Amino acid sequence: DAGVTQSPTHLIKTRGQHVTLRCSPISGHKSVSWYQQVLGQGPQFIFQYYEKEERGRGNFPDRFSARQFPNYSSELNVNALLLGDSALYLCASSPLAHVGNSPLHFGNGTRLTVT
Amino acid sequence: DAKTTQPNSMESNEEEPVHLPCNHSTISGTDYIHWYRQLPSQGPEYVIHGLTSNVNNRMASLAIAEDRKSSTLILHRATLRDAAVYYCILTRNTPLVFGKGTRLSVIA
Repeated sequence: DAGVTQSPTHLIKTRGQHVTLRCSPISGHKSVSWYQQVLGQGPQFIFQYYEKEERGRGNFPDRFSARQFPNYSSELNVNALLLGDSALYLCASSPLAHVGNSPLHFGNGTRLTVT
Repeated sequence: DAKTTQPNSMESNEEEPVHLPCNHSTISGTDYIHWYRQLPSQGPEYVIHGLTSNVNNRMASLAIAEDRKSSTLILHRATLRDAAVYYCILTRNTPLVFGKGTRLSVIA
């Protein structure tokens, strides 16, 4: 079975531009979460979607938005890019909304560089 | 969310067992203990999780203290491919809250 796939793998953008990152979850998984990982830190939660509804939002500005499609794939959008948005953006999927007894499966991320 | 405490780094010799500790003294009765690891240039990888009893899978074993205030991830025979950052996380609900984890180095 294919794992979580993310595209693109690498991206370079200029300050002020916007970016769209894409994620395809494992087949049958209805929950998608997005995380940001800056160099040297652990991943930080941005959003969770389950059955196309937003289930959680981390402490990120409104420049960050996301959505989930009927096929459960997801997009993360970031507007008005800042240098500080440079990071590895990770997508994770799980079959259930609550991860307590159901682990997350991560993709290998999109490396975003803002210049 | 209840917090966990892990050593910043550990070192192991190849083919020897590794015991990675995690303290979580404020754990609640419904918190699951999850372990993930992150190899260089990859996303985090699920390793194992448990609630009260010890757990084994093909990757590792999880030993949970009787009072649940600490746990230990056991890699039975470390290989060079096990060099990674290991995260111990408590969760009863999304999202996962990652700390800085333990950086494991494996020496050939």
